[in-house]
Amino acid sequence: GENVEQHPSTLSVQEGDSAVIKCTYSDSASNYFPWYKQELGKGPQLIIDIRSNVGEKKDQRIAVTLNKTAKHFSLHITETQPEDSAVYFCAASIQAGGTSYGKLTFGQGTILTVHP
Amino acid sequence: DGGITQSPKYLFRKEGQNVTLSCEQNLNHDAMYWYRQDPGQGLRLIYYSQIVNDFQKGDIAEGYSVSREKKESFPLTVTSAQKNPTAFYLCASSSGRDANEQFFGPGTRLTVL
Repeated sequence: GENVEQHPSTLSVQEGDSAVIKCTYSDSASNYFPWYKQELGKGPQLIIDIRSNVGEKKDQRIAVTLNKTAKHFSLHITETQPEDSAVYFCAASIQAGGTSYGKLTFGQGTILTVHP
Repeated sequence: DGGITQSPKYLFRKEGQNVTLSCEQNLNHDAMYWYRQDPGQGLRLIYYSQIVNDFQKGDIAEGYSVSREKKESFPLTVTSAQKNPTAFYLCASSSGRDANEQFFGPGTRLTVL
């Protein structure tokens, strides 16, 4: 089955700096890669996702890059703010026609702390 | 408001007792999922259901059971066979085969004493 590794486990930055979180996956058939943000005591919320036919996607201060050959993808947050502090999870899945039908495999999570 | 509700938010049970966690969604989603979250670990899939009256085991199904009698509801029972049940449990739903985003509920924190 799919295995997703996420690094680092904790990340501390100053407000205004950039933050980068990296994930690798094992199953070359995976074609959908979402990123979730989880605030304390709440369920995760999708912040950005990317499909395997795209190399990069950006949404305001957040961007995700995908390298299919190397089987890794990264989350980039620019101009970080204290409200970006949360746990971030990457995930991988086979979508549309594959046998896993939306089943997500998650990374271990990264605790991001943005200091004012 | 549309969304996923889980109840209760906190649940305490004595060792050896079965307990059922509630998950309801009014998003008209076909698929529903249960995950377990432990400190320092990602979310691990317990069970998922693609359609009413059908469900499949995830990666850590032992000691758990589910039912899907209605589209809106996907309750999870943590049985006494689950060796380490204390955890944060998350329910999620998605609209179907080609819809990727999973929407999560607020979670239930189960503590077994």
